Amino acid sequence: RKEVEQDPGPFNVPEGATVAFNCTYSNSASQSFFWYRQDCRKEPKLLMSVYSSGNEDGRFTAQLNRASQYISLLIRDSKLSDSATYLCVVNVNTDKLIFGTGTRLQVFP
Amino acid sequence: DTAVSQTPKYLVTQMGNDKSIKCEQNLGHDTMYWYKQDSKKFLKIMFSYNNKELIINETVPNRFSPKSPDKAHLNLHINSLELGDSAVYFCASSPPGLYYGYTFGSGTRLTVV
Repeated sequence: RKEVEQDPGPFNVPEGATVAFNCTYSNSASQSFFWYRQDCRKEPKLLMSVYSSGNEDGRFTAQLNRASQYISLLIRDSKLSDSATYLCVVNVNTDKLIFGTGTRLQVFP
Repeated sequence: DTAVSQTPKYLVTQMGNDKSIKCEQNLGHDTMYWYKQDSKKFLKIMFSYNNKELIINETVPNRFSPKSPDKAHLNLHINSLELGDSAVYFCASSPPGLYYGYTFGSGTRLTVV
């Protein structure tokens, strides 16, 4: 089983749609969780951390379910500029983050 | 004011050559990393250094040798380049602790011909 698994997509959605991405992780000892965004031919950039209580940043909401070892990202009111690959990231010890393979999102007009 | 900078941005070289990629961060972070992103876009850690000391070496061939002259710099030297080394190599840095994400450099696209 992969350490971090994501649906690769692509998700093709119209502007204004709500879209959700899911991610599962295998190590129950994982302690910190993130969503990164990677544009084509660019570096990954931190989108948001994921907290147990769930957290929101504008149109983006992240949720963590430790019992199911499951993380989600919800994007409301999608914009064309949201088109990118979204990477689920999990910390497995103090020194390294493990990246999922990413879910590609394409928002069309 | 670039936080994590890598050079060169592109590197095209022949099999068998030796090449280096340089990385510098001005964020004052203690920990630096090298990640490799292959053609399938999978991002995998190679090395981690904390304050100039090697912390992680993830089953990387010993043709790859990282060097950290100080905590702001982490360079990657690759000997005897092979076709399979073609990938994008990202440098990153982070502050201490579990709860901070990493800041990545813009990547070095290595093509071995």
